[in-house]
Amino acid sequence: EAGVTQFPSHSVIEKGQTVTLRCDPISGHDNLYWYRRVMGKEIKFLLHFVKESKQDESGMPNNRFLAERTGGTYSTLKVQPAELEDSGVYFCASSRRGAGDTQYFGPGTRLTVL
Amino acid sequence: AQSVTQLDSHVSVSEGTPVLLRCNYSSSYSPSLFWYVQHPNKGLQLLLKYTSAATLVKGINGFEAEFKKSETSFHLTKPSAHMSDAAEYFCVVSEGDGGGADGLTFGKGTHLIIQP
Repeated sequence: EAGVTQFPSHSVIEKGQTVTLRCDPISGHDNLYWYRRVMGKEIKFLLHFVKESKQDESGMPNNRFLAERTGGTYSTLKVQPAELEDSGVYFCASSRRGAGDTQYFGPGTRLTVL
Repeated sequence: AQSVTQLDSHVSVSEGTPVLLRCNYSSSYSPSLFWYVQHPNKGLQLLLKYTSAATLVKGINGFEAEFKKSETSFHLTKPSAHMSDAAEYFCVVSEGDGGGADGLTFGKGTHLIIQP
């Protein structure tokens, strides 16, 4: 069974530009999560999809971040316009069931905003 | 609200000696607890998971953790460290259906350093 994949692995952009991160969950996993780790801080929850619906987006930092999961398969996280403080590692995870179920993580996308 | 405290940012042990990574949690409900590991340039890998079946949980690569409700602790141990155990370890809590955000709550991580 293929694991969670994320693309790109690294992205370097300038402040004010737009970046789109992609996550492909494990096949059959309806639940998809985004997390972020900024330098020196703990990994923080951003949002949770159940199929194509946003179940919980309480962790999204501001309206410059837009997550989508059209068709309930892969998900994208767009940052527009990017700011310096958006730099960090963005992780995606998926699970078959929701609350309390084991989440399987992708390798992350390292975003650097200059 | 739930929270996790990993008491040590770095732990250094000699190869072949025991490992202890400490974790305390706070949760309003009956939580699920996890330990994840991240090796350099790799993704997060699940080591073990506690739900409510047994307080002593065995994971992969010889790791285990004991859930102690009275102490609100979930420390990770291994009898004998191996060089390949060098990585960053995260203690994680989920309140499941107990309310709060859906996502996992992570500790700040502990870097495990293995001395030859």
